[in-house]
Amino acid sequence: AQKITQTQPGMFVQEKEAVTLDCTYDTSDPSYGLFWYKQPSSGEMIFLIYQGSYDQQNATEGRYSLNFQKARKSANLVISASQLGDSAMYFCAMREVGSNSGYALNFGKGTSLLVTP
Amino acid sequence: NAGVTQTPKFQVLKTGQSMTLQCAQDMNHEYMSWYRQDPGMGLRLIHYSVGAGITDQGEVPNGYNVSRSTTEDFPLRLLSAAPSQTSVYFCASFRAAETDTQYFGPGTRLTVL
Repeated sequence: AQKITQTQPGMFVQEKEAVTLDCTYDTSDPSYGLFWYKQPSSGEMIFLIYQGSYDQQNATEGRYSLNFQKARKSANLVISASQLGDSAMYFCAMREVGSNSGYALNFGKGTSLLVTP
Repeated sequence: NAGVTQTPKFQVLKTGQSMTLQCAQDMNHEYMSWYRQDPGMGLRLIHYSVGAGITDQGEVPNGYNVSRSTTEDFPLRLLSAAPSQTSVYFCASFRAAETDTQYFGPGTRLTVL
């Protein structure tokens, strides 16, 4: 079963607008972490933001914030004031502390974001 | 501090050839892993290691071998390359005490003809 679901294959947003990228997850582990990565056309994986399952507050990092709704098992990424350089693929990922895979990440299939002038 | 390094950046193989993708980190991280990324897919775990001398299989291990003789190095071996192994390969590492991070290498783009 898919552990991370990103339902938006592609999104458009106008420069300076905010955009929300959706991510839902599936786990029975009470202790887990949620990550968002950006992959520009150059191919590297750039860490954006992290949310732990026990964190009371939503994570924020500059223009990125994570809208964490634990009961709904969603961890949406919000990018405020979009910039042209935000055009990239965005991946949501989860690490389950109780997993038997060395704390490796489970990734969604990604959302391609295009920021237009 | 170079972080996670991978070599080569690009590689073309013929079906049946073998090769080793190199991964090294200089951050003294216990955990290292290999992922592959195919078009339209997220990253999928191939093999991982929780410390020197300890390795295990991930989601898609067939056709790949790994070893971890030192903390720093985690090479991925393709024993007999197949076109289905055409992909981008990422190595990653993190420290056990810092489970809120994971550092990725720049990736190796492999084409098997």
